[in-house]
Amino acid sequence: GAVVSQHPSRVICKSGTSVKIECRSLDFQATTMFWYRQFPKKSLMLMATSNEGSKATYEQGVEKDKFLINHASLTLSTLTVTSAHPEDSSFYICSARTQTYEQYFGPGTRLTVT
Amino acid sequence: GNSVTQMEGPVTLSEEAFLTINCTYTATGYPSLFWYVQYPGEGLQLLLKATKADDKGSNKGFEATYRKETTSFHLEKGSVQVSDSAVYFCAPGGGTDKLIFGTGTRLQVFP
Repeated sequence: GAVVSQHPSRVICKSGTSVKIECRSLDFQATTMFWYRQFPKKSLMLMATSNEGSKATYEQGVEKDKFLINHASLTLSTLTVTSAHPEDSSFYICSARTQTYEQYFGPGTRLTVT
Repeated sequence: GNSVTQMEGPVTLSEEAFLTINCTYTATGYPSLFWYVQYPGEGLQLLLKATKADDKGSNKGFEATYRKETTSFHLEKGSVQVSDSAVYFCAPGGGTDKLIFGTGTRLQVFP
């Protein structure tokens, strides 16, 4: 199957700093990628849809100025958590959609804000 | 929009027991249906899918049938293993639609 990677897998940052998470489709091109947030023992919450070459579409209640998404190429989307606070600590998962509309997920990034 | 309801977990079974995890959905039209599995500390992996009514998706001994009349996509496995312990997510959607995830059902299999 198609492979999606995320980097870093774990990150610890101080409150007030920004952190960038990368999502890459390794063996296919993805015009659309998705960013999810998962709370402990909870389902995945879709944060935004990232479209290559255009602005991301954010779900209701997600602050676009806090969670900056850039889909710079057909294989890379980045999520930047700006001015992070402890409540932003979570497991962030991306997925990439193939041309046949299947979604493949990255392994996730554990963010801890101290 | 689409929505999905999964049975509450955790589901606790002994090895070689039969597994059923219920999933029902509401949707406009006829979405594709997916089961994803999440092992501890990892992202989601596609387990199986069905794209139209009466299709049966299967993988690694798991199977699920797209039941349009009952809007269900129950996951089954005849004999579970300890290594099947994970969280299972049912999701309608796909295509140009967003995937909508259920709350997930945690499966714990003991030797």
